[in-house]
Parts: sequence; structure tokens; C-alpha cells
Amino acid sequence: NAGVTQTPKFQVLKTGQSMTLQCAQDMNHNSMYWYRQDPGMGLRLIYYSASEGTTDKGEVPNGYNVSRLNKREFSLRLESAAPSQTSVYFCASSATGALRETQYFGPGTRLLVL
Amino acid sequence: AQSVTQPDIHITVSEGASLELRCNYSYGATPYLFWYVQSPGQGLQLLLKYFSGDTLVQGIKGFEAEFKRSQSSFNLRKPSVHWSDAAEYFCAVAGTYKYIFGTGTRLKVLA
Repeated sequence: NAGVTQTPKFQVLKTGQSMTLQCAQDMNHNSMYWYRQDPGMGLRLIYYSASEGTTDKGEVPNGYNVSRLNKREFSLRLESAAPSQTSVYFCASSATGALRETQYFGPGTRLLVL
Repeated sequence: AQSVTQPDIHITVSEGASLELRCNYSYGATPYLFWYVQSPGQGLQLLLKYFSGDTLVQGIKGFEAEFKRSQSSFNLRKPSVHWSDAAEYFCAVAGTYKYIFGTGTRLKVLA
């Protein structure tokens, strides 16, 4: 039982390049989330997927797209990376998306955009 | 507006000393409150959560937190800190559609 896994762990991009961050969970959770973590700003929600087949914008969605590929996988795509997207990205999941539920986090992806 | 404030960016304590990390929230209804811990290079792990009932909540690793509605606070405490507690701690409130995290408090433990 790996919980929430993320790939890659670290990535360096040049401005304008694209990439996809992968996330998978093996807990049979319905809801999945993408956050970014920046110094002094805590975690901010980028997108979330309440259930398979649905996605919604969070607090900071600009410059990102997501795909809920199936119940297990939720990917985050940067179509044209910008230095402002340098951050640590966390994927999380929860059982049904109810607000009182615990969210389980992956280990994060460190992204540097030059 | 819904928000979470962690007023201390950094805290340093000696091993064996007591610890209190502060968290204040702004939320209209009865809040769902959480404390998460992030060890270096790791994701976030839930320490404890509060929904209702007893205002003193026990969590993992010997942590506890007390909900005080009158002060809009949910402070995290530990009676005796261990070196392995050095990490970043985040308070969060479940908002209308999402979680709202504080900016975090980084704990340093002196041997």
C-alpha cells in the first residue's frame, strides 16, 4: 500500500517548455487534489477532482490543466512553463471529498523553471 | 473571508521543553480544523483534527490541540519536544469547498 505517489521527484524546465506531473493513489479514494507550496504562502489549491470524470478550479488554476485519467490517477500539466511556476507541487487524495476527511499527501515534486 | 493565520514563522525550542504553536482562523460556521506536519523533503501528514465535541483533541506523536471558539484559535501543544519533531507545521480549516492552509511554522529543536 504505497498511498499517494508522485513522479517525478524533481524537474528543471526552461521557460516555455511543457511537462506533466503524475499522481496516483491506491486507496480507492474518489477525490484528488493538486496544491502548490511556496515559501511564506502555505499550500494553495490549483485544481481538484471530486470524483472520476470531474475536475474543478481551485485558488490558483491559471497556467495549469488537469486530467483525471481514472479513479487512481490525476495529472497536472504545465503547457508553457513560466518562472512563476517554480514551486513544490503536492498531490493529495481523500475518500469522498467531504470536508471533514483527512487528506493524504504525496511526497511532492520540486519544479524549477529557468 | 475564510482564513488561517499562523503568527510564528519560526520557533526554536530545546529538546525536552514544552511547545505551543499558534493558529487563528476566520470562519463563519463551526469549523473543521486540522494540524498537519511536514518533515523535510516529505509530504504532509495529519497530526490531529477537530470537528465537534471535546475541545481538547489528542493526536499522533504525543501532540494535542485545543479549540477555543471565543478566541478563534486552535493551538497545537506538546509537553516535551523530541529532536525528531523538527519540521514544518501547518494549520488548516475546511472552507466552503476547499481546505485553507496557514503559512506554516517551522520548528527547530536544539539538542
